[in-house]
Amino acid sequence: DAGVTQSPTHLIKTRGQQVTLRCSPISGHKSVSWYQQVLGQGPQFIFQYYEKEERGRGNFPDRFSARQFPNYSSELNVNALLLGDSALYLCASSLESPPDTQYFGPGTRLTVL
Amino acid sequence: AQSVTQLDSQVPVFEEAPVELRCNYSSSVSVYLFWYVQYPNQGLQLLLKYLSGSTLVKGINGFEAEFNKSQTSFHLRKPSVHISDTAEYFCAVSSTSGTYKYIFGTGTRLKVLA
Repeated sequence: DAGVTQSPTHLIKTRGQQVTLRCSPISGHKSVSWYQQVLGQGPQFIFQYYEKEERGRGNFPDRFSARQFPNYSSELNVNALLLGDSALYLCASSLESPPDTQYFGPGTRLTVL
Repeated sequence: AQSVTQLDSQVPVFEEAPVELRCNYSSSVSVYLFWYVQYPNQGLQLLLKYLSGSTLVKGINGFEAEFNKSQTSFHLRKPSVHISDTAEYFCAVSSTSGTYKYIFGTGTRLKVLA
């Protein structure tokens, strides 16, 4: 079975631009969570969605938004990019709302110049 | 609110030697505990998790961890490491209710030496 997939793999943007990252969960998984991992640090929670509803939001500015589609895939949008948004963005899916095991995708590496 | 502390940023160890990676957490509510491993340029893979029951948890690749509620610790151990265990290891906690978001530690880089 396919694992969690994320696209694109790498992305380079300039300050002020907007970016959309995509995530496809494991088939049958209804929950998707997004994390930001800055180099040298642990992942930080951004959002959790379950059955297309937002279940949790981390301590991130309103420039960050997300949504989950009827097929349970998800998008993370970041507006007005800052240099500090450069990071690995990880998507995780689980069958039900956590603490069911979260399975992580390979991530999208975002570089903001 | 919860927090996780991984005091050791790097742990060098010789091949076939035992290793312990330390994790301490802080929380005012009951928690679930996890260990994940991250290989270079890859996502995170679950090693093991503690939800309830036996405090000694066995995971994949020969790893195990022990939940100690009085010391608020969840240390990861392996009796004999291999070169292939070289990776970054993250401890994480989540509350047993509410958002269930994972709070990760800063990670421990395990380097296995030949």
